[in-house]
Amino acid sequence: AQSVTQLGSHVSVSEGALVLLRCNYSSSVPPYLFWYVQYPNQGLQLLLKYTTGATLVKGINGFEAEFKKSETSFHLTKPSAHMSDAAEYFCAVSGEYKLSFGAGTTVTVRA
Amino acid sequence: NAGVTQTPKFQVLKTGQSMTLQCAQDMNHNSMYWYRQDPGMGLRLIYYSASEGTTDKGEVPNGYNVSRLNKREFSLRLESAAPSQTSVYFCASSGTKFYQGSYEQYFGPGTRLTVT
Repeated sequence: AQSVTQLGSHVSVSEGALVLLRCNYSSSVPPYLFWYVQYPNQGLQLLLKYTTGATLVKGINGFEAEFKKSETSFHLTKPSAHMSDAAEYFCAVSGEYKLSFGAGTTVTVRA
Repeated sequence: NAGVTQTPKFQVLKTGQSMTLQCAQDMNHNSMYWYRQDPGMGLRLIYYSASEGTTDKGEVPNGYNVSRLNKREFSLRLESAAPSQTSVYFCASSGTKFYQGSYEQYFGPGTRLTVT
């Protein structure tokens, strides 16, 4: 079975600072990994995905994530936070028929 | 291209009432899903439909039923609502047949349900 653990339910950063959200996965097969973002009162929007190939994946809004098989990690980063990045972020791993989601990390951005 | 649409957006029910949440997608996707989202628990799969004509239980199916009406539509029914079903419900769709491994899912805007 596949599962995801997101470290830290809340992250607070200053505008312009690095955003780092941690995700570790467990999978019995080569995983497909995803990061989604959810803005208040909206559905989930795909930020980026890793399927095969290059381990550094670039997504929308300046985010990127690196797949590290040896560490079973898929951490999400953005070099410089913007106020519009305030949202909840979910890491997910793909199983045979479904995605398994982490509990989410809420990001607040301080001016 | 509307993507995934859900109705209604908000609903308040009394305990024991029934209702159906509607979902439709216009991306010609094979697979559709129903999730519930509760604070601190991420999204949990209620039911899914890998392809038209099939439905299967997810992690938390008790108290729910589903119907894959056609390729576009996938409805979720609460036969006798309970306060524990107060949640935000999301429908999603995916273009890949499940046995090939899931690709990204596209989500609707959600239905906020309160059961009193």
